[in-house]
Amino acid sequence: DSGVTQTPKHLITATGQRVTLRCSPRSGDLSVYWYQQSLDQGLQFLIQYYNGEERAKGNILERFSAQQFPDLHSELNLSSLELGDSALYFCASSRGGSPLHFGNGTRLTVT
Amino acid sequence: AQKVTQAQTEISVVEKEDVTLDCVYETRDTTYYLFWYKQPPSGELVFLIRRNSFDEQNEISGRYSWNFQKSTSSFNFTITASQVVDSAVYFCALSEITDSWGKLQFGAGTQVVVTP
Repeated sequence: DSGVTQTPKHLITATGQRVTLRCSPRSGDLSVYWYQQSLDQGLQFLIQYYNGEERAKGNILERFSAQQFPDLHSELNLSSLELGDSALYFCASSRGGSPLHFGNGTRLTVT
Repeated sequence: AQKVTQAQTEISVVEKEDVTLDCVYETRDTTYYLFWYKQPPSGELVFLIRRNSFDEQNEISGRYSWNFQKSTSSFNFTITASQVVDSAVYFCALSEITDSWGKLQFGAGTQVVVTP
């Protein structure tokens, strides 16, 4: 168990809808990262937050946004969903340069 | 340009055989980290190893070993005496000092299938 908790485990929704994925980092970890794993793009970095502030951005679509709250949990919001957004979304956390530890992921299916 | 290349898409072995997974990376930074992660059929990503660019010592952990060669920009991973539980997708990844340390650039992954 990595200590990173992601909810929900599975999400099925329709095109055009909006969903929120939640991540609770390991205790004491200030950094939270979001990754997307899809068949065509592989594993790719979306965004990083550190202690509530956005720290780094990857290939995140404008329809996607994230935030990190004072209790350090993070949410990834996906809106105007398209079929191509179907993927496994991972959250990871770290502290002080430690290696990333990933949650079990949220599998999003857009129908 | 792809920064991490895992040329082997799938490797099939019989239990107890050794298997070596290749990873070639590309970076202009002199300081960087290399990683291996395992993704079993259950889907989670399991951290295996991190190596920084200044430490070229090979590492062994049980049946796992890693060979880092800066001269060839490679960070290969060997599973000795493979077991069925080793069946998974293995990802090599790179992070660079000019970017966030946690911004990993993953290879496409190598599927390892171990049959009894």
